[in-house]
Amino acid sequence: AQTVTQSQPEMSVQEAETVTLSCTYDTSENNYYLFWYKQPPSRQMILVIRQEAYKQQNATENRFSVNFQKAAKSFSLKISDSQLGDTAMYFCAFVDNTDKLIFGTGTRLQVFP
Amino acid sequence: EAGVAQSPRYKIIEKRQSVAFWCNPISGHATLYWYQQILGQGPKLLIQFQNNGVVDDSQLPKDRFSAERLKGVDSTLKIQPAKLEDSAVYLCASSLGVGRANEQYFGPGTRLTVT
Repeated sequence: AQTVTQSQPEMSVQEAETVTLSCTYDTSENNYYLFWYKQPPSRQMILVIRQEAYKQQNATENRFSVNFQKAAKSFSLKISDSQLGDTAMYFCAFVDNTDKLIFGTGTRLQVFP
Repeated sequence: EAGVAQSPRYKIIEKRQSVAFWCNPISGHATLYWYQQILGQGPKLLIQFQNNGVVDDSQLPKDRFSAERLKGVDSTLKIQPAKLEDSAVYLCASSLGVGRANEQYFGPGTRLTVT
C-alpha cells in the first residue's frame, strides 16, 4: 500500500528565516506525482507545489522549493524568507496511477515575528 | 472564478441522528471528491465522482454513508445514522478532469461534531 510519512508533527520558525519540512513515501510505482498542500486555520486547503517523479529538476514556486530524492523516496519542502501568513498545517501528498491522493498526517508550522 | 462551496460550515448532532452535507464544485469541473479529515490526520478519500458516475467509493462506509451527484454538478454526502467516530471535517474538492496532473481545488469543509 502507498504510504506518506511526515515525521515532524510541529515546527516553528522566525519570520524571514528558512524552514524545511520533511516527507517520505513508499511506493513500488515509477511514475507518480508528489504535492505539498497548505491548510491555514480557515481550513481551505491550497496547493503549494507539485513535483512529477520523472522530472529530475526540483520544483520551485517563489519562496517554496522542494528537495526530491527519488531513490530515497524523500520529498522535503523548503520555505525561504518565512512570513506570518505561512502559519498553517502542511500536508505532503502522493498520487500514482490509481489517481487517488494519499496524504500524510501533516506538519503544523508556526511562524513567529 | 468562484471556488468550491460547501454548506453547512458547522454541524452538531447526536449519535444515531442523520446529517447531510452539500457541495457545489467549480463550474466546469467534471470530477468531484469527498474527503474525511479526522483531527490530527490527513484527509482520506471517501468517494470520487466523474460527472455523475462513481469512480471510486472503496473507502466509503456504505452501511451508513451515501453520496450522490445528480446532473453531474452539485453533490450531497449523507450519514445515517451517525456514530461518535464520524466527528471530523468533511472536505469537498473538484478538478477539471481525472488523472494525476489534475489539480484538486478544495472547499472550506464542514466540521461535524457527533455527541
